[in-house]
Amino acid sequence: GQQLNQSPQSMFIQEGEDVSMNCTSSSIFNTWLWYKQDPGEGPVLLIALYKAGELTSNGRLTAQFGITRKDSFLNISASIPSDVGIYFCAGPYLNAGGTSYGKLTFGQGTILTVHP
Amino acid sequence: DTEVTQTPKHLVMGMTNKKSLKCEQHMGHRAMYWYKQKAKKPPELMFVYSYEKLSINESVPSRFSPECPNSSLLNLHLHALQPEDSALYLCASSRRQGEADTQYFGPGTRLTVL
Repeated sequence: GQQLNQSPQSMFIQEGEDVSMNCTSSSIFNTWLWYKQDPGEGPVLLIALYKAGELTSNGRLTAQFGITRKDSFLNISASIPSDVGIYFCAGPYLNAGGTSYGKLTFGQGTILTVHP
Repeated sequence: DTEVTQTPKHLVMGMTNKKSLKCEQHMGHRAMYWYKQKAKKPPELMFVYSYEKLSINESVPSRFSPECPNSSLLNLHLHALQPEDSALYLCASSRRQGEADTQYFGPGTRLTVL
């Protein structure tokens, strides 16, 4: 099925360290999305990826769309306390006809804790 | 303006109550969504509206009743809920149904059913 396996489940790091998390799937995705969710808030879109091999940055965040279209990673450089939250990868769920009807398939999330 | 607003922020209700959640966006988006999210889990899609018409119902129990009065507003009417329905309810919108990369989420309503 179109499941996303996200790892690690949680990370405890020191401020200033770099962070890396990834998502893999047995299915091909044509778009990869990375969201961050703060406690008590809705997910906020960080980066959207559209092409295999694409590498995109947003400030200290960098994400890549895997060449096989079955994986993606997100890196955070020089972490700061406000990076704390849950990070989700996501992609459009495709129906039997290969069409997206708006449903997003999410990974299980990576809980990031940053110690000052 | 990429804002989706939701009211109320928090809601506590009994199993016999009737309440409504509200969502609003002014981005001109023509697709709107309701998601349910349990603690530390990813959001799960409930309903999709496209051009004010219900497009997708992900087999949601009838005690949840969505309504889209106009292109900017989305409501979720709640009746006879169960304690296991306690969760964060998220609204989202996108330019058109299926455009995942333009899907913006609201801050959610934290619902507690007693």
